[in-house]
Amino acid sequence: KAGVTQTPRYLIKTRGQQVTLSCSPISGHRSVSWYQQTPGQGLQFLFEYFSETQRNKGNFPGRFSGRQFSNSRSEMNVSTLELGDSALYLCASSSGTGHTDTQYFGPGTRLTVL
Amino acid sequence: GQNIDQPTEMTATEGAIVQINCTYQTSGFNGLFWYQQHAGEAPTFLSYNVLDGLEEKGRFSSFLSRSKGYSYLLLKELQMKDSASYLCAVLDSNYQLIWGAGTKLIIKP
Repeated sequence: KAGVTQTPRYLIKTRGQQVTLSCSPISGHRSVSWYQQTPGQGLQFLFEYFSETQRNKGNFPGRFSGRQFSNSRSEMNVSTLELGDSALYLCASSSGTGHTDTQYFGPGTRLTVL
Repeated sequence: GQNIDQPTEMTATEGAIVQINCTYQTSGFNGLFWYQQHAGEAPTFLSYNVLDGLEEKGRFSSFLSRSKGYSYLLLKELQMKDSASYLCAVLDSNYQLIWGAGTKLIIKP
């Protein structure tokens, strides 16, 4: 079974621009969660999508948004980029059928904002 | 607020045993996860505890005490490949994962 894939792996943008990141979950998984990881901060939860609906949301500003398609692939968008948005963005997929499902992570997208 | 505490960094010797602690204060508890993350790679699942006690999986064991808000990950017979960050995460009452900042484990020969 193929794992979780994320594209692109690396991205460099400038302040004020916007960016779209993509995540393809493990086949059969219907839940996709997005996280921001920065040194010393750990993983910060952005949002979770299940069957094309946002099921849970973290405490991030509205500049961070996402969506999920019918094939469970998900995209995350960040508008009006700020320097502080530089981070590793990870997505994780799970079956979504149980609240204690194990999450399987993709390799992440390293975003650098200049 | 919700809080997960782990040591920032630990050093151990190849072949030895190391215990990585995690304490938590969360709104509700529906289980605790441990993940391993090698530098530049994705976190990978190690263990899940929801009941008190010790769960053993080969060289790795995880312990939970819900009354104390405490867990530890025990790594035995350390190998160089165990050098990684170890992440503790708690599933709160809303079934949202709350993550610790991770413990960077350095293994020396």
